[in-house]
Amino acid sequence: NAGVTQTPKFQVLKTGQSMTLQCAQDMNHNSMYWYRQDPGMGLRLIYYSASEGTTDKGEVPNGYNVSRLNKREFSLRLESAAPSQTSVYFCASRRDGNYGYTFGSGTRLTVV
Amino acid sequence: AQSVTQLDSHVSVSEGTPVLLRCNYSSSYSPSLFWYVQHPNKGLQLLLKYTSAATLVKGINGFEAEFKKSETSFHLTKPSAHMSDAAEYFCVVRIENQKLVFGTGTRLLVSP
Repeated sequence: NAGVTQTPKFQVLKTGQSMTLQCAQDMNHNSMYWYRQDPGMGLRLIYYSASEGTTDKGEVPNGYNVSRLNKREFSLRLESAAPSQTSVYFCASRRDGNYGYTFGSGTRLTVV
Repeated sequence: AQSVTQLDSHVSVSEGTPVLLRCNYSSSYSPSLFWYVQHPNKGLQLLLKYTSAATLVKGINGFEAEFKKSETSFHLTKPSAHMSDAAEYFCVVRIENQKLVFGTGTRLLVSP
């Protein structure tokens, strides 16, 4: 049982480069989320998708775009990476109802 | 706005002694609260959740938390620490649209 799968696990980008972080879940969850984790700041919500075909901004959306490609997949795109986007990115999904999230294992991104 | 405050950035205990990780919440109504654990270089795992049922919530690995409305607290405890408990712990509140707001985290250090 895979749960939430994120790729890649590690990535180094140069300032100005673009890339897409991939996330897929196999639990038939409607809701999916992207968070970033920075030291001393906990996790902050970037974007979320309450259902297939919908996306909404979270707390820190600037510099990012997302696509909910289908029910399984929710990708996060950095169009022009900046050093401030160096972080660990977590994707999560949630079953409808009063349930907790299931998190992926994270993508560690460094922008130089 | 709903939020959580984790009162200690680091907590150090000896193996076999009790663990107390403190969390206070701010909410205008009865909140849904969670504790998540993150082991080094790993994703986040749900330890336990409070959703307005019993005020004493039991979680995995011997952890429990008590919801105290009068003190707006949701502290995490364990009677006897184990070396494998060394990790970062996040207190989390669920807000509108099922989004999560994370505390800044408490790193638990366990010495032999």
